Amino acid sequence: EAAVTQSPRNKVAVTGGKVTLSCNQTNNHNNMYWYRQDTGHGLRLIHYSYGAGSTEKGDIPDGYKASRPSQENFSLILELATPSQTSVYFCASGEGLGGKDTQYFGPGTRLLVL
Amino acid sequence: GDSVTQTEGLVTLTEGLPVMLNCTYQTIYSNPFLFWYVQHLNESPRLLLKSFTDNKRTEHQGFHATLHKSSSSFHLQKSSAQLSDSALYYCALSDRMDSNYQLIWGSGTKLIIKP
Repeated sequence: EAAVTQSPRNKVAVTGGKVTLSCNQTNNHNNMYWYRQDTGHGLRLIHYSYGAGSTEKGDIPDGYKASRPSQENFSLILELATPSQTSVYFCASGEGLGGKDTQYFGPGTRLLVL
Repeated sequence: GDSVTQTEGLVTLTEGLPVMLNCTYQTIYSNPFLFWYVQHLNESPRLLLKSFTDNKRTEHQGFHATLHKSSSSFHLQKSSAQLSDSALYYCALSDRMDSNYQLIWGSGTKLIIKP
């Protein structure tokens, strides 16, 4: 079973502040993803990565940056947090097996921006 | 572009009754990969089952689904609902972008099973 961990699990931030969400996976998966989940919108892809040093924009990248410094770690950065970014954020990893790839999700981070 | 449609946002059933959650998709590719993920309350999504073969039934944990390319459907079924089946269910389509694949997610169906 793939192991994906996220930190912090809960975060309260102020508007305009910088927030960094971290994700670590221990199964040497090539692909990693950041999603946000909001009621009525399901899962929406923010950024993803195919390996260390690579980041790609997903469907809703505005206001977010991503960093993949190593195979294991993938961070999501909110440079200037806004209340609209209040959400639950999930990190996921996948082996990169093409279309058949299963994504393994972390436990999620609840972010509240005041 | 490619898309996944889950028509029911909420399905409420009595325990013991059959479950059917609808999923249809649109894609330009002739060999789509379809997935069902399940998310229980306060947990993260996890894979329930997946299929790549036309007209072949795939089963896992009492649930089953059959990919029908002719109707672009991948409905999730279970013969008898249990209270523990209450969860959010996502249908997803694997879509090729550049040289890699991404998941196109449906909007999700919340399933509530009542005693």
